[in-house]
Amino acid sequence: DAKTTQPPSMDCAEGRAANLPCNHSTISGNEYVYWYRQIHSQGPQYIIHGLKNNETNEMASLIITEDRKSSTLILPHATLRDTAVYYCIVRVAELTGGGNKLTFGTGTQLKVEL
Amino acid sequence: DGGITQSPKYLFRKEGQNVTLSCEQNLNHDAMYWYRQDPGQGLRLIYYSQIVNDFQKGDIAEGYSVSREKKESFPLTVTSAQKNPTAFYLCASSGQGLETQYFGPGTRLLVL
Repeated sequence: DAKTTQPPSMDCAEGRAANLPCNHSTISGNEYVYWYRQIHSQGPQYIIHGLKNNETNEMASLIITEDRKSSTLILPHATLRDTAVYYCIVRVAELTGGGNKLTFGTGTQLKVEL
Repeated sequence: DGGITQSPKYLFRKEGQNVTLSCEQNLNHDAMYWYRQDPGQGLRLIYYSQIVNDFQKGDIAEGYSVSREKKESFPLTVTSAQKNPTAFYLCASSGQGLETQYFGPGTRLLVL
């Protein structure tokens, strides 16, 4: 799976949009971009994923650049409960010997403040 | 409610003791996974199972064992051969193929 690079930490004011970047410059054409988040001492929570097109759901929006070398997760109106570690994961679209393995890096610690 | 349950939330192990962590899902998912997380680190895959009665080693399987006798259950045993078992253990499940994985709340294992 392609390596991803995320800033170790970010701050955001409550009510403002949180924009979390992820670089995946070695991504292949058959690899998806996934985002999960993990609130302290809880299991990771799926947020969104995409291949080429921008995606939006009730939690967030995912913007993938045209060359697919980077993406941005957008939380449109961040709240204190969005404080968590956010993981950007790139994963192949075909099952391999590793099954459906997700490779988590160290992610970005987002702190939402009043 | 549909979901993944893990028990217990905290588990203490004495040196040389085997312990078993429970993972149950009622999502009718075929695949289940066990990950380990150390402080400040990402998750690492221990074992996974894509179907009942079948499982495969992940990246760090040494010192661990699993079974998959039922679709809903995928228990993980941390054996005495695992020299550094203190960690946060996470179970996940997904539908067939490459469907999205969903995680349980985790079990924190501490060695006394």
